[in-house]
Amino acid sequence: DIVMTQTPLSLSVTPGQPASISCKSSQSLLHSDGTTYLYWYVQKPGQAPQLLMYEVSSRFSGVPDRFSGSGSGTDFTLKISRVEAEDVGVYYCLQGILLPLTFGGGTKVEIK
Amino acid sequence: HVQLQQSGPGLVKPSQTLSLTCDISGDSVSSKTAGWNWIRQSPSRGLEWLGRTYYRSRWNYDYALSVKSRITIKSDTSKNRFSLQLNSLTPEDTAVYYCARDDDYVLMDVWGQGTTVTVSS
Repeated sequence: DIVMTQTPLSLSVTPGQPASISCKSSQSLLHSDGTTYLYWYVQKPGQAPQLLMYEVSSRFSGVPDRFSGSGSGTDFTLKISRVEAEDVGVYYCLQGILLPLTFGGGTKVEIK
Repeated sequence: HVQLQQSGPGLVKPSQTLSLTCDISGDSVSSKTAGWNWIRQSPSRGLEWLGRTYYRSRWNYDYALSVKSRITIKSDTSKNRFSLQLNSLTPEDTAVYYCARDDDYVLMDVWGQGTTVTVSS
């Protein structure tokens, strides 16, 4: 199975400040079709996870442009340019190149 | 606007079978671009993908090896839903279970509300 490792485990951010989450995979997520199958989700308190980013850097419908994704191969980053109170939650990465699909352990974002 | 509505019991006895259903609105279970997943979440295992079904001229099923001997995912085109059956339950199967849709290669873009399942006598 592909192991997804996220750091840090938690992040406390002042509103308006940036935040960055790292996700590393144990194997390359670059497919022979040229697509990298890395996804980001956020799980807000008491809710199901919701999709933020797909294929590394494509924002899902309705996701604010303060969210951005980058990376390649095995190293990926989710950045929030200016954290807002509504961004509180646990952020997860997911690899979609190989079954079983596997998630990272999560990064909890809190507001200072 | 696609929505997934889950139903099923919240308490199941050890050794019994868990049955959960995910009703689909705004899409079709037999869509040739969709996939239909089951995922669970527990403090000890985090988010764990269990399996999926999808229709591409025929029905396909993928299962996680960790549950492959115990899991069945079915589709019901007459009711536009899909279901999860997990048998031989133990307390380690206690988790929140989610259904989720794949829209082509955009994985898990829509989620059900989650069902908290406790395995206990």
